[in-house]
Amino acid sequence: DAGVIQSPRHEVTEMGQEVTLRCKPISGHNSLFWYRQTMMRGLELLIYFNNNVPIDDSGMPEDRFSAKMPNASFSTLKIQPSEPRDSAVYFCASSLGIDEKLFFGSGTQLSVL
Amino acid sequence: GIQVEQSPPDLILQEGANSTLRCNFSDSVNNLQWFHQNPWGQLINLFYIPSGTKQNGRLSATTVATERYSLLYISSSQTTDSGVYFCAGGYGNKLVFGAGTILRVKS
Repeated sequence: DAGVIQSPRHEVTEMGQEVTLRCKPISGHNSLFWYRQTMMRGLELLIYFNNNVPIDDSGMPEDRFSAKMPNASFSTLKIQPSEPRDSAVYFCASSLGIDEKLFFGSGTQLSVL
Repeated sequence: GIQVEQSPPDLILQEGANSTLRCNFSDSVNNLQWFHQNPWGQLINLFYIPSGTKQNGRLSATTVATERYSLLYISSSQTTDSGVYFCAGGYGNKLVFGAGTILRVKS
């Protein structure tokens, strides 16, 4: 299996621009997660989906962040408008289901100037 | 919410040495996992271990659920073991990550 695939690997943008991060979970996995990693706050869960349905988005920082999962093999995390404090590594992860082993993608390094 | 405390915060080992990393939880959990983040940033799942003991090569983990802690043992450490070790725990899919233990193995 190819594992969890994220794109792009790196994104540099200017403040105010829209940013879209993409994720393809492992085939057959029913749960998908978006995490953010920063030096100050560590690894934080932003949102997770079960069977393409958002279950818990309490970790989403504010309304500028939105996530979708239109089908079982694709999810996006969008930031609009982006701000310098959004700079971080954004990870997507997937698992077979609830309470299962978590597998991470390689992450997207986002820099907002 | 659940608080996750990892110790030690950082550790330097000589190649071949053994080590024990600890993870304490403020509340009981039914989902507990250990991860290794290598120097390139990749997060690798080491163990899914809400209770009991598991072994995988030179690594093993033990979780004592009733006392809300988990231990990760690394034996005969190698330079490739360097990186950050995270534990994460919670209920169902909502995992809280600890701050990590930074491990450096010197040759």
